[in-house]
Amino acid sequence: QTVLTQEPSFSASPGGTVTLTCGLSSGSVSTNYYPSWYQQIPGQAPRTLIYNTNTRSSGVPDRFSGSILGNKAALTITGAQADDESDYYCAMYMGSGISIFGGGTKLTVL
Amino acid sequence: EVQVVESGGGLVQPGGSLRLSCAASGFTFSSHGMSWVRQAPGKGLEWVSAISATGYSVYYADSVKGRFTISRDNSKNTLYLQMNNLRADDTGVYSCARHSTDWYSFDYWGQGTLVTVSS
Repeated sequence: QTVLTQEPSFSASPGGTVTLTCGLSSGSVSTNYYPSWYQQIPGQAPRTLIYNTNTRSSGVPDRFSGSILGNKAALTITGAQADDESDYYCAMYMGSGISIFGGGTKLTVL
Repeated sequence: EVQVVESGGGLVQPGGSLRLSCAASGFTFSSHGMSWVRQAPGKGLEWVSAISATGYSVYYADSVKGRFTISRDNSKNTLYLQMNNLRADDTGVYSCARHSTDWYSFDYWGQGTLVTVSS
């Protein structure tokens, strides 16, 4: 069973750069998995940030960017702000109509 | 404005059944694949099931295969999830999500409906 692995938690300083990663248990992440990233404030619906590895969803500030770093997908937040405190989830398309999510990263900005 | 609104959640006993609905508006429903995604209390997101825009192709996570059935009625702009033989570990908030036009990600999400499986 394929698993996506994310940092359970991450702490950043205001104005700092945050890089969250998403690893694939079966090997290296590539664009063929169409990695995407979602932000979820507890109690609210997820918000799509990044899709197809590095395409920002409509209305998402350019402080958010996606990439592949080494063998993982990555979400980078440049100039972290207090209201970036949230849970962040990666997802990938595994083929045959199936998608999977990572376990999520709880980001704290303080 | 794109909207998806879930309904049908509630308290059900183990082994019971429940049918969830997701009403879509603000976009051409018949042009998009749709998925159900759930979140157990205090846990992360879990993809549950997906259906193609026409409804001809359906997909399930192993954890629900054989127990859950996804369907859609494009004339009513509504997505469904029939859940049978429910277990305690099916408890959580069930959300519907619209697939992007290329299928590979989700671009709009609903707030979800809570399903509690307990005796």
